Amino acid sequence: GAGVSQSPSNKVTEKGKDVELRCDPISGHTALYWYRQSLGQGLEFLIYFQGNSAPDKSGLPSDRFSAERTGGSVSTLTIQRTQQEDSAVYLCASSASLVGLDTQYFGPGTRLTVL
Amino acid sequence: SQKIEQNSEALNIQEGKTATLTCNYTNYSPAYLQWYRQDPGRGPVFLLLIRENEKEKRKERLKVTFDTTLKQSLFHITASQPADSATYLCALERTGANNLFFGTGTRLTVIP
Repeated sequence: GAGVSQSPSNKVTEKGKDVELRCDPISGHTALYWYRQSLGQGLEFLIYFQGNSAPDKSGLPSDRFSAERTGGSVSTLTIQRTQQEDSAVYLCASSASLVGLDTQYFGPGTRLTVL
Repeated sequence: SQKIEQNSEALNIQEGKTATLTCNYTNYSPAYLQWYRQDPGRGPVFLLLIRENEKEKRKERLKVTFDTTLKQSLFHITASQPADSATYLCALERTGANNLFFGTGTRLTVIP
């Protein structure tokens, strides 16, 4: 595809429900990142996938958060038992670099609102 | 703890003037630094990358400097235009880390 896509663009859910957010990275990009951006805050790193290596989960804020990347392409971020403080824009980015860091290409984000 | 600060939350300048945005960091020794632009409702878009051994980088009307002694990067937009209005984010790579650390951004408004 032309760029990173994310779905849904907006998600409103009730406290306690589970949500799944999807990211389709740029074809051929081996690295995939999830970030969270709260109102007035910088981007907060959540998780990083690189090829077939074990993901770096060091940024996940709690065990309610998990992510998968299937077939080295599409990724799903799952938030279980959502809380109001989970409300934010969730951004996915992909990168072509095999080692180290390179330019990251971001999707448009999913705006999550937990009521 | 590691910290990234961008000089101000918002900056207003007159069209045609040079905008200067500041990114300061502490407790880092980044191998390189990146600047991104973010428009409302959109994801950040990469603008420039500068490495620790580079003093200055230019791209069209954009210029970035990187002073590892002062632990500071300056981002300049010359001959600014209303279309340059956006939030600008600096991001640092930390050697051995798998992610970028982002500042909170500076919202630039160029007034016609």
